[in-house]
Amino acid sequence: AQSVTQLDSQVPVFEEAPVELRCNYSSSVSVYLFWYVQYPNQGLQLLLKYLSGSTLVKGINGFEAEFNKSQTSFHLRKPSVHISDTAEYFCAVSPSWDSSYKLIFGSGTRLLVRP
Amino acid sequence: DAGVTQSPTHLIKTRGQQVTLRCSPKSGHDTVSWYQQALGQGPQFIFQYYEEEERQRGNFPDRFSGHQFPNYSSELNVNALLLGDSALYLCASSLEQGESYGYTFGSGTRLTVV
Repeated sequence: AQSVTQLDSQVPVFEEAPVELRCNYSSSVSVYLFWYVQYPNQGLQLLLKYLSGSTLVKGINGFEAEFNKSQTSFHLRKPSVHISDTAEYFCAVSPSWDSSYKLIFGSGTRLLVRP
Repeated sequence: DAGVTQSPTHLIKTRGQQVTLRCSPKSGHDTVSWYQQALGQGPQFIFQYYEEEERQRGNFPDRFSGHQFPNYSSELNVNALLLGDSALYLCASSLEQGESYGYTFGSGTRLTVV
């Protein structure tokens, strides 16, 4: 079975500072990895995904993530955050063999950007 | 281009009642998945429908059932509601033969069981 751990429930950061949101996963099989963002009273929006190839993945809104197979991590980074980045961020995995593309989510990290 | 539409946006039900939630997928999408997101938690996979059949199911009791119609829209039904069923229910659509993991999520239905 697969599982996802987001160690930080909340990350406060000042505007224009860099941020890293941590994600570790557990799986005995090959997985695909994702980061989603959820703004208040909205659904989930895909930030980026890793399916194969380069381990550094660039997404929307200036976010990027690096897949580290040896550490089973997929941390999300942004060099300079804006107030508008305040939201809940979810890391998710999906077994690469699963044609239904079922997603297994972590419990989320609330990014709070302060002026 | 309309995305995923869910209705209603909010509803309140009493324990023991039954509820039906509806989802219209993004135009061109043929697969619908349902997720339950409890307060402060990540979404959990309930089930997925493709070609009007349940293709895969998560760890949810039989009280949770669904349906997909020929126009690809879908319903989620929950019987004998429990307080613990209070959550945001998210619908996600995708195209079976499309880009891998091209999920589009709706804004969800907030269900409160009292």
